[in-house]
Amino acid sequence: AQSVTQPDIHITVSEGASLELRCNYSYGATPYLFWYVQSPGQGLQLLLKYFSGDTLVQGIKGFEAEFKRSQSSFNLRKPSVHWSDAAEYFCAVGSRGAGSYQLTFGKGTKLSVIP
Amino acid sequence: KAGVTQTPRYLIKTRGQQVTLSCSPISGHRSVSWYQQTPGQGLQFLFEYFSETQRNKGNFPGRFSGRQFSNSRSEMNVSTLELGDSALYLCASSLVRDHYEQYFGPGTRLTVT
Repeated sequence: AQSVTQPDIHITVSEGASLELRCNYSYGATPYLFWYVQSPGQGLQLLLKYFSGDTLVQGIKGFEAEFKRSQSSFNLRKPSVHWSDAAEYFCAVGSRGAGSYQLTFGKGTKLSVIP
Repeated sequence: KAGVTQTPRYLIKTRGQQVTLSCSPISGHRSVSWYQQTPGQGLQFLFEYFSETQRNKGNFPGRFSGRQFSNSRSEMNVSTLELGDSALYLCASSLVRDHYEQYFGPGTRLTVT
């Protein structure tokens, strides 16, 4: 069965500092990987996705992520964090079976930004 | 293009009651999935619908059910509510061909007292 691990429950960074959120996945086939962001009381917004091809993918709001098959990782990065980036971030893997499809999410990493 | 809409946004129910939540997908999207989000269990897959058929269901009791209409709108129902059903229920829609990319609504916050 597929699974996603986000080792960091809570990360605090200063505004303007760089950011890296870790994500490790377990899936038997080629993974479809996603990062979502959730602000308090809101739904999930898709930041970026990896299906195949270039292992470095660009997303919205200046985020990028790198897929490393050998490490089963899909870490999210941003060179300079803004106060508005404070939110909870979820990594997810998409799996297909029996004609259906579902996302399996990690537990999330809450990001706090110090002005 | 309007996003995924969910109604109601907030709901308070009593144990033993039942509840129905509604989801309208993005125009043109034919697949709808539901997820439950709680502080303890995180985000968990409930079920997926496509062309009015449930194609997959997560590990939830039979009290959780859903359906999809011909216009792709979906409802989920929880009967005999328990305190542990208090959660944020999220609906997501996707195009058929771009099935892997799911777009989420704002969710319905259900509180069971």
